[in-house]
Order: sequence, then structure tokens, then C-alpha cells
Amino acid sequence: DQQVKQNSPSLSVQEGRISILNCDYTNSMFDYFLWYKKYPAEGPTFLISISSIKDKNEDGRFTVFLNKSAKHLSLHIVPSQPGDSAVYFCAASDAGKSTFGDGTTLTVKP
Amino acid sequence: EAQVTQNPRYLITVTGKKLTVTCSQNMNHEYMSWYRQDPGLGLRQIYYSMNVEVTDKGDVPEGYKVSRKEKRNFPLILESPSPNQTSLYFCASSLATGGSYEQYFGPGTRLTVT
Repeated sequence: DQQVKQNSPSLSVQEGRISILNCDYTNSMFDYFLWYKKYPAEGPTFLISISSIKDKNEDGRFTVFLNKSAKHLSLHIVPSQPGDSAVYFCAASDAGKSTFGDGTTLTVKP
Repeated sequence: EAQVTQNPRYLITVTGKKLTVTCSQNMNHEYMSWYRQDPGLGLRQIYYSMNVEVTDKGDVPEGYKVSRKEKRNFPLILESPSPNQTSLYFCASSLATGGSYEQYFGPGTRLTVT
């Protein structure tokens, strides 16, 4: 049973518009949620995180929203830039264990 | 430069031939972890270590071993590799255990077992 799901394998948006990436989870014990970005032939790099006791965290163009009752989180990128084109992974943490979603490939068109 | 290094970056081997993938970090991080990534899938955690001599299983530990004898190194050992262990492997480290600490990832090791 997949505990962290990213239901959209891909997303394409126009430069300057908003990108919204979604993630659903099933395990109520997760205490932190993180987003990572991955370019081809590189390891993932951290983007932004949110504690399970918060509902929003913002860092520049990136905002993560958490809806604990719906077990849903989303990453908003505004405005989207071509350099944001990458695979985005949602990850959830429970003590030392980390569970990742399958990723969403974001393409930002100039 | 703060980094996580993995060696080798690419490896082709045969079924049953023991191999070790090394992982080293220079950030004095307490926490280290190994993941595998298969096509179309996310990263699945193999093993993690919260400190020296402390290791624990992730979601897919079968067929793998790890050790943490020093803080900076966390090697992944495949005693008898099989074709289903063909995958892209990532090592990661973070300052401490706990979800608030982001993980720093190595560049990956692409392993092919024939």
C-alpha cells in the first residue's frame, strides 16, 4: 500500500503562470513533509518543508499547503520559470523513516 | 565544499558477485540513508542510520546490508546481487534524525546486475 501518492505523473504550464503539484498520504504518523526537486543525472535537492502542525509554509516563489484532515498537501510555484522544469518528489517523514511519492514531472514552457 | 559522494557512479556486475557501494559525507551529519529508484517510481528507502553503530531497516531492506562504523561513511553491501537489484541508488545525509532536517543526496550509483 503506497503511503505517499502523487497522482499526476506530469504537469505542463506556461512560464509566468502558477504550477500546483499535489500529494496525498495515508499515514497519520507522518510529522514532516518535504518537497525535493530532481534534475536528470543528479540527486534530489531539498526545496521546502512543512511540519504537520502547520498549514502553510512559504519560501520565495514556493509555498506548501497542508490539509491534515484531507491528508493532502500541495506545492505552489509562482511565477513558474523554465528553470523549474524538473521532477518534483513529495516526501513524508516518521522519525527516521522517509517515504517518497513517485514524482511529478513539471515542464514550464517559455 | 559540502557534499555527499558515492562510488562507483556506474557498475555492471554479474549475479552473485558481492559488491559494495561506498557513501561518504563531509558535513558531520548524524543521519544517513540509502534509497533505490526504479523507472517511474519514487525513492524507496533501503536502510538508514541515526548515528554511528545505529542502523535500521527502511521499506525495502531485503538483499542489502549496511554498516556505520564511522560518522562520515555508510557503505551499502550486496552480498549476492540479483537482477532485481538493478536500479539507481542514492545515498543521503542530514544533520540529525527528524523530518525537519532536509536530506542532502549524492549523485547516484547506477547498478546493473546481469
